[in-house]
Amino acid sequence: NAGVTQTPKFRVLKTGQSMTLLCAQDMNHEYMYWYRQDPGMGLRLIHYSVGEGTTAKGEVPDGYNVSRLKKQNFLLGLESAAPSQTSVYFCASSWLQSYEQYFGPGTRLTVT
Amino acid sequence: GENVEQHPSTLSVQEGDSAVIKCTYSDSASNYFPWYKQELGKRPQLIIDIRSNVGEKKDQRIAVTLNKTAKHFSLHITETQPEDSAVYFCAAGGNTPLVFGKGTRLSVIA
Repeated sequence: NAGVTQTPKFRVLKTGQSMTLLCAQDMNHEYMYWYRQDPGMGLRLIHYSVGEGTTAKGEVPDGYNVSRLKKQNFLLGLESAAPSQTSVYFCASSWLQSYEQYFGPGTRLTVT
Repeated sequence: GENVEQHPSTLSVQEGDSAVIKCTYSDSASNYFPWYKQELGKRPQLIIDIRSNVGEKKDQRIAVTLNKTAKHFSLHITETQPEDSAVYFCAAGGNTPLVFGKGTRLSVIA
């Protein structure tokens, strides 16, 4: 089992460019999450999904969109990147909200 | 919504001493309280969790206590070792998505 994987691992964007981050899990988990991690801020939830075809906003959703067309994949999109979106992005999955979340290795995004 | 406060933000202890990290939460409906450890450059990983129907849970050198009345929970690490050096995050939720604390950077000095 690969667990949770993320693509790409690193990315540099110019302001205004767009990109999509891909998260994949092979544990048949219902719940998937996207977080951003900034120094001193902990993990903040961007969007999450409670199952295939569903998405919901988290704490910091502005500037991001998500889609979950297949149960195993959760995509995070940035339509027009801004320097404030420079961060490390983690995807996670869990069986239920009240069970262990398994995190991916992270994507380090820099927006110049 | 849920709000989680975590203290201290940094903690240094001598090898072999104990370390305690405390968190408070605001939503009385929260019923799941995990603790994650994140080593430098790595992903967060669960080290222990506790549910609202339990007051204390222990796993070798790690223990967590929960006081539902006061809405606070704590992580206790005994006999600390250099490999315990990392950032530790508490979280609260269960009925709603987890909300994480801002983290505690633990340094164990040999």
